[in-house]
Amino acid sequence: AQTVTQSQPEMSVQEAETVTLSCTYDTSESDYYLFWYKQPPSRQMILVIRQEAYKQQNATENRFSVNFQKAAKSFSLKISDSQLGDAAMYFCALISNSNSGYALNFGKGTSLLVTP
Amino acid sequence: DSGVTQTPKHLITATGQRVTLRCSPRSGDLSVYWYQQSLDQGLQFLIQYYNGEERAKGNILERFSAQQFPDLHSELNLSSLELGDSALYFCASSVDVRRNQPQHFGDGTRLSIL
Repeated sequence: AQTVTQSQPEMSVQEAETVTLSCTYDTSESDYYLFWYKQPPSRQMILVIRQEAYKQQNATENRFSVNFQKAAKSFSLKISDSQLGDAAMYFCALISNSNSGYALNFGKGTSLLVTP
Repeated sequence: DSGVTQTPKHLITATGQRVTLRCSPRSGDLSVYWYQQSLDQGLQFLIQYYNGEERAKGNILERFSAQQFPDLHSELNLSSLELGDSALYFCASSVDVRRNQPQHFGDGTRLSIL
């Protein structure tokens, strides 16, 4: 079975500062993909960043980057120069070849508050 | 705008009723996924269709069913509704079934059971 754990229900960061959201996962597969999705108050699910397990280089998308530690099964999201618009729920998700096909397996989410 | 269209945006109905949620995937996407987001269960995968055929099933109740039509739009049918079915239902689409293809989500249908 696959599991995705986000141990921080809530996080807070000041505008312009940096924050790191944690995610750990468990899978028996060697080939898989990891994603971070953002869900603002509008309830949309927005893809932030993705990482292929076979790539050692950490993915980066503008102010968003990940720290992928495959041996530790850890996949944290770093948001630099935080902006008010970054306030949202952030979900870590795993996709691998399982009985559920290629569906996303989500963590419970981390609510990020950005203060001025 | 993700390009995935879900209708209706909101649905209010009573216990025991049946509803149909509709999803139009992004142009060119062949795979459609349905997810349920509730306060107690979080985001859960329900079912996946690829080019008209069921591809994978998740935690979908027997009271729920889905299909994907030749024009690739999909419908999720929920019957004998219970209070616990109140949730946000998302549809997502991807180009195909390869794992590296990102899933793009619609805005969801908010279902409220009274």
